[in-house]
Amino acid sequence: DIQMTQSPSSLSASVGDRVTITCRASQTISTYLNWYQQKPGKAPKLLISATSSLQSGVPSRFSGSRSGTDLTLTIGSLQPEDFGTYYCQQYYSIPFTFGPGTTVEIK
Amino acid sequence: QVQLVQSGAEVKKPGASVKISCKASGYTFTNYYMHWVRQAPGQGLEWMGIINPSGGSTSYAQKFQGRVTMTRDTSTTTVYMELSSLRSEDTAVYYCARPKTVDTAHDAFDIWGQGTMVTVSS
Repeated sequence: DIQMTQSPSSLSASVGDRVTITCRASQTISTYLNWYQQKPGKAPKLLISATSSLQSGVPSRFSGSRSGTDLTLTIGSLQPEDFGTYYCQQYYSIPFTFGPGTTVEIK
Repeated sequence: QVQLVQSGAEVKKPGASVKISCKASGYTFTNYYMHWVRQAPGQGLEWMGIINPSGGSTSYAQKFQGRVTMTRDTSTTTVYMELSSLRSEDTAVYYCARPKTVDTAHDAFDIWGQGTMVTVSS
């Protein structure tokens, strides 16, 4: 199975800050990487698919990129509604494993 | 609109089985695979398996092999996930989730059910 790691596990940032979350896979996954946002008591919401494709309706302050083995979710200017837990997920091979999550808190 | 509506919360004793339903609407049921994902309280997301509603073929995470069965009923556009030999560690919210693209398992999950809480307790 492909293992996914995320860093940091949590962060606290101010409105307007630029926030970066990094995901790494234990083996190659090419660009088969998605990002989800989950708020307490709710189902996850797809933000970005295939490393960098922004889901329809998701604000443009969210972006995804890849540099070598690092896959990154960036929130360009953090907004109050961006609190929650963010998960990466590889869909290169079954089982489609998720990262452990990054909890974002607004200062 | 496209939606997945899951059955209600369940409380089960250790050793019992649970069967959760996920009713799909707003799209052609047999054109999209369906995944199941679970989340234990305060924990992350765990992929359990997938079913192809068209032919009924399945693929399960090794962790659940022998305990999980995913089925579908095309007449009611419903998929089911049954988990047997329940233990306390199976206490979790269970989600069905649909990929973005037709006829492929390998895609992001853009439609999710609301989740079904399963509590395993003696």
